[in-house]
Amino acid sequence: GIQVEQSPPDLILQEGANSTLRCNFSDSVNNLQWFHQNPWGQLINLFYIPSGTKQNGRLSATTVATERYSLLYISSSQTTDSGVYFCAPLVSGSRLTFGEGTQLTVNP
Amino acid sequence: SQTIHQWPATLVQPVGSPLSLECTVEGTSNPNLYWYRQAAGRGLQLLFYSVGIGQISSEVPQNLSASRPQDRQFILSSKKLLLSDSGFYLCAWSVPWQPQHFGDGTRLSIL
Repeated sequence: GIQVEQSPPDLILQEGANSTLRCNFSDSVNNLQWFHQNPWGQLINLFYIPSGTKQNGRLSATTVATERYSLLYISSSQTTDSGVYFCAPLVSGSRLTFGEGTQLTVNP
Repeated sequence: SQTIHQWPATLVQPVGSPLSLECTVEGTSNPNLYWYRQAAGRGLQLLFYSVGIGQISSEVPQNLSASRPQDRQFILSSKKLLLSDSGFYLCAWSVPWQPQHFGDGTRLSIL
């Protein structure tokens, strides 16, 4: 099956800093989702992005499907951005394969 | 709008006891439904998915089973829980070509 690798595994930032999270995948994908898991365990949809770039406020995502990677940009980070960020490519049907995530800590 | 409900939020069960976790979706018809498990650490593992009533696909052989008795109801069960069944269980739904949406999850502890 598809392999999904996220980097870095852990990231600590000061409030206001910018960051880039990366997701590499080993096979062609139909689509890709980015999620934020907050400290209470809730998985929040961030982006559904098969290719190109999308922006939502301080967050944006870019997927380059031909090169098998996706990037999540967080600008002007806030403490509420803390949590785990997952990418999950959609390979067949509606089945997602999750990476191991990036644990983000934003300090005040 | 669509909503997904999972219960209970937390559950503590003894080894060998049965399990039933329920998930329901409102506001959509014939959704795809999914059960995932997240063990201590971070990755989510797909356990079961269903494209319709009575249609269940199992991704990982294990001590668990799933059923879909109604269009928008998905149930995760076990006859006898093992210690290794502990974890965070999440239900999700989607329709074709749209993103998956997750419930708030159930934290299951086995003693």
